[in-house]
Amino acid sequence: AQSVTQLGSHVSVSEGALVLLRCNYSSSVPPYLFWYVQYPNQGLQLLLKYTTGATLVKGINGFEAEFKKSETSFHLTKPSAHMSDAAEYFCAVIPYSGGGADGLTFGKGTHLIIQP
Amino acid sequence: NAGVTQTPKFQVLKTGQSMTLQCAQDMNHNSMYWYRQDPGMGLRLIYYSASEGTTDKGEVPNGYNVSRLNKREFSLRLESAAPSQTSVYFCASNFDPEGKRQNTGELFFGEGSRLTVL
Repeated sequence: AQSVTQLGSHVSVSEGALVLLRCNYSSSVPPYLFWYVQYPNQGLQLLLKYTTGATLVKGINGFEAEFKKSETSFHLTKPSAHMSDAAEYFCAVIPYSGGGADGLTFGKGTHLIIQP
Repeated sequence: NAGVTQTPKFQVLKTGQSMTLQCAQDMNHNSMYWYRQDPGMGLRLIYYSASEGTTDKGEVPNGYNVSRLNKREFSLRLESAAPSQTSVYFCASNFDPEGKRQNTGELFFGEGSRLTVL
């Protein structure tokens, strides 16, 4: 079975500052990794994903994440925060061979707060 | 371009009442899912359907039933609602040709149904 740990249920940064949201995973087989974003009163939408190949992946709205196998991490970053980035962010993992009984496993989420 | 549509968006029930949450997608996806979202718990899978006529239990199926009516529609029923079922419910879909539960990656979510059970 796989699991996801997101460090920090709330992260606050100033507008224009670096955004860093941390995600560590455990998986017995190579994983596919995802970040989803949820804006207030909306469903989740895919921000970016890592499947195979280049370990630095770019997503929408200037976000990117790097898969580090040795650290079992997939941290999300953005160089300069914007007020519109305020949202809930979820890291998720699935074994590349298929989800089986567990399917896609989500972390508990990190609420990103942008200070003006 | 509707995507995934859920109804109702809000509902208040009394303990013991029943109700059905409806979900429809217009993207010709074969796989559909029901999740619940609770504060500090992330999203937990209730039920999953790989294709019309098939359903599988997820992490938290107790107290729920589902019906995959056709390729487009996947409903979630609470037969006897309990306060512990107060939550935000999300329907999602994707194209998963091998039936491997989301290994193709992107799930498309509805906007959620907020249910309160008194």
